[in-house]
Amino acid sequence: QITLKESGPTLVKPTQTLTLTCIVSGFSVNTPGVGVGWIRQPPGKALEWLALIYWDADKRYNPSLENRLTITHDTPKNQVVLTMADVDPVDTATYYCAHRDWRGFDYWGQGTLVTVS
Amino acid sequence: QSVVTQPPSVSGTPGQRVTISCSGGSSNIGRKSVNWYQHLPGTAPKLLIYNNDQRPSGVPDRFSGSKIGTSASLAISGLQSEDEGDYYCASWDDSLNGPLFGGGTKLTVL
Repeated sequence: QITLKESGPTLVKPTQTLTLTCIVSGFSVNTPGVGVGWIRQPPGKALEWLALIYWDADKRYNPSLENRLTITHDTPKNQVVLTMADVDPVDTATYYCAHRDWRGFDYWGQGTLVTVS
Repeated sequence: QSVVTQPPSVSGTPGQRVTISCSGGSSNIGRKSVNWYQHLPGTAPKLLIYNNDQRPSGVPDRFSGSKIGTSASLAISGLQSEDEGDYYCASWDDSLNGPLFGGGTKLTVL
C-alpha cells in the first residue's frame, strides 16, 4: 500500500528557508518510472504544482518559483525533501507531496499547513 | 503564459448530471492527456480520471471524462451529496515542463 506523509514546520518567519519532508512507503523513490511531486494550495485558492523529482533524480521545477526551490530524494531513507528559500506570507499554504506515475499524481499525502508570519 | 481554465463553480441537485469544462492550449491539453482530481473538504486530492477518460480502480462509473482538441470535460451523473467539493483538471504543459492544474471548480449539490 502506497502512503506519503508530509512533515515540516507549521510556522515560518518571512525570509527564512522552509524545509518539508515527504516520507513514503509502499514504493521506493528510485523505482523506475516513479516520481514524487510537491503541490501546494493557498487558503481559498487552487492547487499549484511546485516541483517534481523522478526515480533517476531528474528534476522539474515550476518556473515561477524555480530560483527558490530545491527538491532532492534520499534513497536510503526513502524520502523526498523540498526546500523553499526566502519565504513570504504569500507562501502560506497547505503543502502536499504526491506519488506520480504515467497516469498522474495517483497517491497523495494528507498535506501540511505552513503559515508564514 | 500557460493557462488551463475551468468555471469557478457548478451546481446540481441529487440525481442530476453535471459537467465541468476545462480549456487549455496547444502546449498542454492540445497535445497531452488530461487528468481530473477530486478534492473533498478535509481530505487529500484524489485522482479521478487519467489519460482523458480512464478511471482508476474504485472510482464509480458515474464519473467520466472526455477530451476534444484543447478542451476536456468531466461529467458526473447521478449526483450525490458526497460529491460536493472541488474538481481540478490537469495536464502536462510543455512550456512549464511540468504538470499544470486548472483553477478548480467548486461543485455544490443543492
